[in-house]
Amino acid sequence: NAGVTQTPKFRILKIGQSMTLQCAQDMNHNYMYWYRQDPGMGLKLIYYSVGAGITDKGEVPNGYNVSRSTTEDFPLRLELAAPSQTSVYFCASSFGNEQFFGPGTRLTVL
Amino acid sequence: GENVEQHPSTLSVQEGDSAVIKCTYSDSASNYFPWYKQELGKRPQLIIDIRSNVGEKKDQRIAVTLNKTAKHFSLHITETQPEDSAVYFCAALMNYQLIWGAGTKLIIKP
Repeated sequence: NAGVTQTPKFRILKIGQSMTLQCAQDMNHNYMYWYRQDPGMGLKLIYYSVGAGITDKGEVPNGYNVSRSTTEDFPLRLELAAPSQTSVYFCASSFGNEQFFGPGTRLTVL
Repeated sequence: GENVEQHPSTLSVQEGDSAVIKCTYSDSASNYFPWYKQELGKRPQLIIDIRSNVGEKKDQRIAVTLNKTAKHFSLHITETQPEDSAVYFCAALMNYQLIWGAGTKLIIKP
């Protein structure tokens, strides 16, 4: 199993641009999550999903959107990128309580 | 909102000594408390977790204790080794979401 995969690994955006961060898992997990991690800080939950077609906001959802059309995929959309969205983004999935993380996407907005 | 506080933010110990990291949480309904280790530039990985029906759990050199009355839990690492150097995060499950502490940078001095 590949586990949780994320693309791209790195990306530089200009202010106002949009992009989609991809996340996929092959473990048939129902739960999936998007976090952001700012330098020297803990993880903040952006959005999560309890199954295909169901998503909900976390602590810091503003400026982001998600969709969950399949069990495997959970893309995160950034509209109108701002410097405050410079961060490392982690996707995770779980079946029970333990969450499995992807390798992360390092995003810089200039 | 719900939160998890983690102390200290940095901990420096001599190799072979013990390290203790403490966390407090706000939601008395929380029933799952994981600890994650994150090495520089890597994804968080679960090292140990504890559920609310248990007061202590051990796994080789790592142990976690939970005091539900006081709403705090701690990570104990004995006989520290250079490979224990990393950032450690505690978290608490609240309303189906993991709320994370800000992290503790553990430095093992040779």
